[in-house]
Amino acid sequence: EAGVVQSPRYKIIEKKQPVAFWCNPISGHNTLYWYLQNLGQGPELLIRYENEEAVDDSQLPKDRFSAERLKGVDSTLKIQPAELGDSAVYLCASSPGTRSDTGELFFGEGSRLTVL
Amino acid sequence: DAKTTQPPSMDCAEGRAANLPCNHSTISGNEYVYWYRQIHSQGPQYIIHGLKNNETNEMASLIITEDRKSSTLILPHATLRDTAVYYCIGHGGSQGNLIFGKGTKLSVKP
Repeated sequence: EAGVVQSPRYKIIEKKQPVAFWCNPISGHNTLYWYLQNLGQGPELLIRYENEEAVDDSQLPKDRFSAERLKGVDSTLKIQPAELGDSAVYLCASSPGTRSDTGELFFGEGSRLTVL
Repeated sequence: DAKTTQPPSMDCAEGRAANLPCNHSTISGNEYVYWYRQIHSQGPQYIIHGLKNNETNEMASLIITEDRKSSTLILPHATLRDTAVYYCIGHGGSQGNLIFGKGTKLSVKP
């Protein structure tokens, strides 16, 4: 079974440029998460989707970050414009069910963003 | 979700048991203890979770104290591939989200 797929794996851009990350969760997983991980820190939740609904986006900086999961499957996370401090790894994860009581998440390998 | 405390780093000799401690003194009665690990340049990987009883799977064992204020993840025969950052997380499920701390960096040495 394929795991969570993310692309691109690496991205280097100049500040003020836009960037987008794509995530394809495990088939059948209704819940999808985007996390941000800074160097030496644990992952921090940005947004959680249950099907196509964003049920928790309280930590998403909405002035420059946006996310969508239009058909309740794939998801895209966008940053526009990117700032130097956005350099980090962006992780996507999925889990089965909705309002799941499980904390068992399946993570992708992440997209490493470098903003110059 | 409960705040957890872990040592920043630990070493373990290859082939020996690695015992990783976690304090979660504020954990509530319905919160599970989850363990994840993150190998360099990869996403976190689920290892095991438990509520009250000790748990064992093919990857590790989880020992939870009777008062549930602390737990220990045991890798019975550590290998070099177990070198990773290990995260202990208290999770209440349902509306809650997994909140990762800084974890313990385990270095398994030959």
